Amino acid sequence: GAGVSQSPSNKVTEKGKDVELRCDPISGHTALYWYRQSLGQGLEFLIYFQGNSAPDKSGLPSDRFSAERTGGSVSTLTIQRTQQEDSAVYLCASSLLSSGTYEQYFGPGTRLTVT
Amino acid sequence: GIQVEQSPPDLILQEGANSTLRCNFSDSVNNLQWFHQNPWGQLINLFYIPSGTKQNGRLSATTVATERYSLLYISSSQTTDSGVYFCAVFKAASNKLTFGGGTRVLVKP
Repeated sequence: GAGVSQSPSNKVTEKGKDVELRCDPISGHTALYWYRQSLGQGLEFLIYFQGNSAPDKSGLPSDRFSAERTGGSVSTLTIQRTQQEDSAVYLCASSLLSSGTYEQYFGPGTRLTVT
Repeated sequence: GIQVEQSPPDLILQEGANSTLRCNFSDSVNNLQWFHQNPWGQLINLFYIPSGTKQNGRLSATTVATERYSLLYISSSQTTDSGVYFCAVFKAASNKLTFGGGTRVLVKP
């Protein structure tokens, strides 16, 4: 079956511009996560959505970052007024989270470069 | 928060050699996953192993939850095994995977 998909695969933007990154989770997965991977920080958690519950935003690095998940499926991560330190690979993952199964599956990522 | 440490940070192998990668974590967890990050950056699921031993081809993994560590074994290594191997742990209360720093593996022909 189809895995997690993300778009775009690469994005180059100028400092100060806004960007939107998209994630399509595996069909039927109720949990969706955003992580980012940067050279200095490794792989770090950003935000978590589960069903209709309020998202866990505890990993978002600043108020320039926001995310939404529409209809319990597709998610968009928005970065406003991008800075050079936002350059990283942004990874999306989804999980079924039923019967105590917590396995997460990752998409191919979006490589963001802020110039 | 929970700490995850992987060792060694780098590993160079001759094709055909065996190796063991280690992951230590600082608290009890609900889940542990091993991933292989390929040269294109994709995280490939290797094992979902909160406890016990699993095998998949030339790879196997063991997690001893009571002692808070996991081991990934690579046998008869091939050049396609090159890449970065990540261990990640999940606590249901924290709603997230916490990753180790990875082990970069290079298999030479």
